[in-house]
Amino acid sequence: EPEVTQTPSHQVTQMGQEVILRCVPISNHLYFYWYRQILGQKVEFLVSFYNNEISEKSEIFDDQFSVERPDGSNFTLKIRSTKLEDSAMYFCASRVLTGELFFGEGSRLTVL
Amino acid sequence: SQQGEEDPQALSIQEGENATMNCSYKTSINNLQWYRQNSGRGLVHLILIRSNEREKHSGRLRVTLDTSKKSSSLLITASRAADTASYFCATDSGAQKLVFGQGTRLTINP
Repeated sequence: EPEVTQTPSHQVTQMGQEVILRCVPISNHLYFYWYRQILGQKVEFLVSFYNNEISEKSEIFDDQFSVERPDGSNFTLKIRSTKLEDSAMYFCASRVLTGELFFGEGSRLTVL
Repeated sequence: SQQGEEDPQALSIQEGENATMNCSYKTSINNLQWYRQNSGRGLVHLILIRSNEREKHSGRLRVTLDTSKKSSSLLITASRAADTASYFCATDSGAQKLVFGQGTRLTINP
């Protein structure tokens, strides 16, 4: 069964460092998403991406964040200068057009 | 405004009992979805109910939707220890994103 894959599963970084989280969405899907979940809390929308551009972003997704789909398969989230409060699980998700989202297993980011 | 607020925040029951979780939301929706999350894992889609549907079943899951009250419920019948997880509702308002609630932590005691 096709699945969304994310790497790394866990990344530890120093405050102020750049981090890139990678995702391979399901191949025939058209919409791509990043969500984050601070430990034990709700799943928060960051950004959606369609037709090679951002279609919507939340207030959390400020200038420190960017997304890219550099080739036909990878979808990346970059945090330019990490802060302590960026520590969270970051989930990539994709879907065909409407309906259910398919999530990856997440990348745990720890900022020290 | 916050969509998809689940209630209760935590629920602990005995194996074999039924578990009911509720979700309230604020704006009009195209559909409402329920997801499950095992600890430290990704979210897995369980069921989708459209705004013109009132009830939907899938195995031991039963979902209801009341658009006049802007609420939904998820019933898991004959619970098993393996049902222990967090359950989230998510609203699709026709925008690009799904908006998730806080979730209900369900514990099934053997």
